[in-house]
Amino acid sequence: EVQLVESGGGLVKPGGSLRLSCAASGFTLSNAWMSWVRQAPGKGLEWVGRIKSKTDGGTTDYAAPVKGRFTISRDDSKNTLYLQMNSLKTEDTAVYYCRWYDTSSAIDYWGQGTLVTVSS
Amino acid sequence: SYELTQPSSVSVSPGQTARITCSGDVLAKKYARWFQQKPGQAPVLVIYKDSERPSGIPERFSGSSSGTTVTLTISGAQVEDEADYYCYSAADNNLVFGGGTKLTVL
Repeated sequence: EVQLVESGGGLVKPGGSLRLSCAASGFTLSNAWMSWVRQAPGKGLEWVGRIKSKTDGGTTDYAAPVKGRFTISRDDSKNTLYLQMNSLKTEDTAVYYCRWYDTSSAIDYWGQGTLVTVSS
Repeated sequence: SYELTQPSSVSVSPGQTARITCSGDVLAKKYARWFQQKPGQAPVLVIYKDSERPSGIPERFSGSSSGTTVTLTISGAQVEDEADYYCYSAADNNLVFGGGTKLTVL
C-alpha cells in the first residue's frame, strides 16, 4: 500500500527556515517523480516544485514564487523526500502536500499535508 | 500561464446526479484529473486521464471531456461524497489547479 506521510511543519518567523519531510512507503522513491504542492488557508492549490526520478535525471523545477529559496531533495536510503525552505515569507503560510506521480499507471498519490505558519 | 475554472459550489440531494465542470485552454491538449478532499484528510484521486477511475473508487464517479471543458459526474450522489473537488492538469512543466468546488449533498 502506498503511503506518504509529511512532517516538519510548524510556526516560524519571517526570514526563518524549515525543512519538511515526506516519508514514502509502498514504492521506491529514487524511481519516482515527486512534487510538493501547497494550499494557503482558504485559498486554492499551488504547485511548489518537482524532482524527477534518478533514471530521468533527478532534476528539479520550482515555481517562480519559491525559486532560489526552496530546495527539493531526497534520501534514497530513508525513502524520504525533503523540502528545504529558506527566507520564509508570510505568504508561504500553507499546508504543504507531497505527491507521487506513478508514470507507469498515470495515477498520483497524496500525503495528508503538514501546516507551515510564517508569522512574527 | 494557464488557468482552470470551476464553480465554487454545487448542491444536490442524496441520490441525485452531481456535475462539476472545469474549463481551461490547457484541457484541449492535456488530460485532466480530479481529486476529492475532505477536511483534515489527504486528497484522493477519483478520476485521471479525463475519464479513468482508479481502483477502489466507486463506479458512480465518472469523468468526461469536450474541448476545453471536463466534467466530473457523480451519479446517485451519497452523503459521504460531500467534499471539495479539485480539477488539475499538467502544463508547462508544472501542475495547474482549479479553484475547487464544494459539493453539498443534503
